[in-house]
Amino acid sequence: ETGVTQSPTHLIKTRGQQVTLRCSSQSGHNTVSWYQQALGQGPQFIFQYYREEENGRGNFPPRFSGLQFPNYSSELNVNALELDDSALYLCASSPGVSRVVYEQYFGPGTRLTVT
Amino acid sequence: KQEVTQIPAALSVPEGENLVLNCSFTDSAIYNLQWFRQDPGKGLTSLLLIQSSQREQTSGRLNASLDKSSGRSTLYIAASQPGDSATYLCAVKNVAGGTSYGKLTFGQGTILTVHP
Repeated sequence: ETGVTQSPTHLIKTRGQQVTLRCSSQSGHNTVSWYQQALGQGPQFIFQYYREEENGRGNFPPRFSGLQFPNYSSELNVNALELDDSALYLCASSPGVSRVVYEQYFGPGTRLTVT
Repeated sequence: KQEVTQIPAALSVPEGENLVLNCSFTDSAIYNLQWFRQDPGKGLTSLLLIQSSQREQTSGRLNASLDKSSGRSTLYIAASQPGDSATYLCAVKNVAGGTSYGKLTFGQGTILTVHP
């Protein structure tokens, strides 16, 4: 069974640019969540996708957007990058959206640096 | 709004010591609580998941307890080893309405160092 994978591992961008991060969910998982973790902080929820639709969103501006594909892989897009967007971006997958049971499994993350 | 606090922020202990990490949350209407381990610059590894109806979970040298009514959880690590050195994060999943079923709210973590 393949776990959650993310690409790229590291990325350096310039302020104002756009970036796309990718996530492949664990086999059999149809729900993907994205989190931003600034240095020294706990992860913050960005949004969640379930069966290709956004299913919930945290307190992030619209320049943070996402997609989920029929194979349940996902992309996180960030436009007009700002210095404060520098962080570790984590993707997590789970087998469904039930509130009760499902554990979230995290990928290794993408380290984004904005200069 | 759910807030999660972890105490202490950092802990340094000699090898072999038993230790307790604390997590508190403000909204007791949770579905579950998860403890994670994070090595520097890496992703999160799930250690233990406690459903809201449970009081504790155990895995090897780890034991996590949950007191939902008081908004507290503890992670107990027995006979600590240098390989246990990492950041430990707790996260709660809320009952809140709407569609954010999968939303986890994290604490800031406890940085644990176990020295030989």
